[in-house]
Amino acid sequence: QSALTQPPSASGSPGQSVTISCTGTSSDLAGHNSVSWYQQHPGKAPKLMIFEVSKRPSGVPDRFSGSKSGNTASLTVSGLQAEDEADYYCCSSAGSHYVFGTGTKVTVL
Amino acid sequence: QVQLQESGPGLVKPSGTLSLTCAVSGASISSDYWWSWVRQPPGQGLEWIAETHHSGTTNYNPSLKSRVTISVDKFKNQFSLNVNSVTAADTAVYYCAINGDFRGQGTLVTVSS
Repeated sequence: QSALTQPPSASGSPGQSVTISCTGTSSDLAGHNSVSWYQQHPGKAPKLMIFEVSKRPSGVPDRFSGSKSGNTASLTVSGLQAEDEADYYCCSSAGSHYVFGTGTKVTVL
Repeated sequence: QVQLQESGPGLVKPSGTLSLTCAVSGASISSDYWWSWVRQPPGQGLEWIAETHHSGTTNYNPSLKSRVTISVDKFKNQFSLNVNSVTAADTAVYYCAINGDFRGQGTLVTVSS
């Protein structure tokens, strides 16, 4: 099972929006709605930002939104803030197991 | 508030067995949750390892399935992960999670002689 494909990096200025893509196959993303997104700051544990494609856990700002179309999921961060600078990972069910994306480093310019 | 605390040996010799425990507080291990393990080698991305439910259902990463066992201890309210025949490639920070939500800090395990 290969990792889901994410762009290595993305960037934006404060206040702008950035969208991260996550591409999979018919065995994972296209066939399941159990898609999550995680934010990870250096030296910290990953933090769940989005689950079930577009749902936000309690406490996650509504600046974070998720969507999915076919075999591609997306995370959009609107109104970028300095604290949004981090690594972001997608994760999808692949039936009997899960697979993570390759990770995207978001830089706030 | 559910909290998870990973614990492990820190250092394991090659070909040995890595044993990790995730202590659960604020929730019962017998509740309707999925308990899972994820790891992250130094400087690399996340890798999903396995998950279990108190009902006994378990799921494994196909690439690790032959070496990994996940289990639940209802009396101690914790769950565990064993990885056998370890190599340097198993060196990583290991995280446990509840329904995909990481509530612990992770524990670093180094495989070295």
